[in-house]
Amino acid sequence: NAGVTQTPKFRILKIGQSMTLQCTQDMNHNYMYWYRQDPGMGLKLIYYSVGAGITDKGEVPNGYNVSRSTTEDFPLRLELAAPSQTSVYFCASGRQGFITGELFFGEGSRLTVL
Amino acid sequence: EDKVVQSPLSLVVHEGDTVTLNCSYEVTNFRSLLWYKQEKKAPTFLFMLTSSGIEKKSGRLSSILDKKELFSILNITATQTGDSAVYLCAVGRSYGGSQGNLIFGKGTKLSVKP
Repeated sequence: NAGVTQTPKFRILKIGQSMTLQCTQDMNHNYMYWYRQDPGMGLKLIYYSVGAGITDKGEVPNGYNVSRSTTEDFPLRLELAAPSQTSVYFCASGRQGFITGELFFGEGSRLTVL
Repeated sequence: EDKVVQSPLSLVVHEGDTVTLNCSYEVTNFRSLLWYKQEKKAPTFLFMLTSSGIEKKSGRLSSILDKKELFSILNITATQTGDSAVYLCAVGRSYGGSQGNLIFGKGTKLSVKP
């Protein structure tokens, strides 16, 4: 059982480039999330989705976009990368939603913008 | 502003010691408090607490919530080197319906020396 799978695990971008972080889960969870984790800081919610076709902004959405065309996939798009987007990105999914149930996290994608 | 504060930020102990990690919060529309363990990569779920005074236990780990004083503690008895990790506290805040957010603390880094 793969759980939550993120790709790529590492990426270096130049300022102004764009890229997509992929996230797939095989647990049939309706709820999916993207977080970023900066050194010494807590995880911050970027975007979340409560089901296919439904997405909403979290705390720090600027510079990012998401889509949710299927239950399994929740890609995160970075447009015009900036050094401030250097971070570790975690995708997570949950059955009941993050306020009442546990989240399952992917192993993270470390992004560096130079 | 909603906040979750963990203390201490780091802690070094020896195998066999007992440790107590603290999490205090100021969050409107509280729904739940969760503890995660983060080793090298993805956070993994430990406990979810929603009611005051009810201890949750899993092996050598236990946790309790005080909703009046707005804090939770995570206890680890007879620590082992495998307990070395960052322990994250997160509080679920509801916006209504299925909408909401997990607000994470910065984590407590626990190092257990042989």
